[in-house]
Amino acid sequence: SAVISQKPSRDICQRGTSLTIQCQVDSQVTMMFWYRQQPGQSLTLIATANQGSEATYESGFVIDKFPISRPNLTFSTLTVSNMSPEDSSIYLCSVTWFDSTDTQYFGPGTRLTVL
Amino acid sequence: AQSVSQHNHHVILSEAASLELGCNYSYGGTVNLFWYVQYPGQHLQLLLKYFSGDPLVKGIKGFEAEFIKSKFSFNLRKPSVQWSDTAEYFCAVNAPGNEKLTFGTGTRLTIIP
Repeated sequence: SAVISQKPSRDICQRGTSLTIQCQVDSQVTMMFWYRQQPGQSLTLIATANQGSEATYESGFVIDKFPISRPNLTFSTLTVSNMSPEDSSIYLCSVTWFDSTDTQYFGPGTRLTVL
Repeated sequence: AQSVSQHNHHVILSEAASLELGCNYSYGGTVNLFWYVQYPGQHLQLLLKYFSGDPLVKGIKGFEAEFIKSKFSFNLRKPSVQWSDTAEYFCAVNAPGNEKLTFGTGTRLTIIP
């Protein structure tokens, strides 16, 4: 089965800085998504990463705070900008494949702690 | 808008006990339903899914779930749990053709040896 990887797996950052998280898939996918899982909470969709165009953000999430890129069918990045302790979460990417477009498969996540 | 409710926040069972975790959704149209599992220190994995057809679906590791349309429910079951089933379980829903998933709040399952 295909492999979804994320870098970094975890990081500890200072308030006011930015962190870029990478999601890499070893085969082409149709859709890529970014989720946030705050401590003790469920997953919340941040945005859909669209290839070659601006991401589609969910209510409560904005491009200035969470810029997203998706230059091709196997790679996407999420940047968490101007971080505050409230951004401490696990950030996950998910993908759908061409033969199973209604089912999402998740990467291992990036555990972010902001001090 | 879709919503998903998981009323059991934390369930504690002994090994070999039977398991049923509740999941109810709110949506007016056709839905796809999913159960995901997150074992300690591991990433989210698909346990099973329902799109159409037989409302009783079987997943990995002996889990099954039953879609009851009249009750808007998709409860997860396992006849005999093992210690290795200790994990967080998430129910999720999307609409056919709309990949965006809506997750429930999750149920933490603890199995006592």
